[in-house]
Amino acid sequence: EVQLLESGGGLVQPGGSLRLSCAASGFTFSNYAMSWVRQAPGKGLEWVSGISGSGGSTYYADSVKGRFTISRDNSKSTLYLQMSSLRAEDTALYYCVKNRGYTVTKYYFDYWGQGTLVTVSS
Amino acid sequence: DIQMTQSPSSLSAFVGDRVTITCRASQSISTYLNWYQQKPGKAPKVLIYAASSLQSGVPSRFSGSGSGTDFTLTISSLQPEDFATYYCQQSYSTPLTFGQGTKVEIK
Repeated sequence: EVQLLESGGGLVQPGGSLRLSCAASGFTFSNYAMSWVRQAPGKGLEWVSGISGSGGSTYYADSVKGRFTISRDNSKSTLYLQMSSLRAEDTALYYCVKNRGYTVTKYYFDYWGQGTLVTVSS
Repeated sequence: DIQMTQSPSSLSAFVGDRVTITCRASQSISTYLNWYQQKPGKAPKVLIYAASSLQSGVPSRFSGSGSGTDFTLTISSLQPEDFATYYCQQSYSTPLTFGQGTKVEIK
């Protein structure tokens, strides 16, 4: 059974940093691209970042480029999102999402975690 | 960036109704179009991938069609458990983008 367990969310002040983690199990982690998708309270879905199975290719939404860094440790089956220079508009539930294929594009999201809440406020 | 526009933003329907949601891409995305369903307080789940392929375990009353820039999600006979918000998403190129969502409510 595929499981994606996010952690690391919480309350942070504007300008602060936070690192999200996603522990994956139930599949061969290195064979699949992974993404982070967020949802602000009462709003729609926004793709944040994606990473290929090897970790060699990374992609970002314009809204987070230069502030967020996605990475993965295939030996630990864990996905990360390092977030810095956080803004109020980054407040959202952050989902860890498994891609159906090895690359970030051309596939779909077949498994989602339950999300970890990030609140940016003073 | 590829913009995804869904219509309508919301709709009300009776159980048993046929429901159609449309999604338009700002440029051609071939058939790299996926549909997700999200219920309140839950993570989204995929219904349709590659425009018309039904995800395993999803009821056959859901279907998808289209290619290029215009796509549709159809629910042939709406069931009580189908009341939710539906999103389209393009996987043709990064940044990956979602439509704004269509909320399906009980009439």
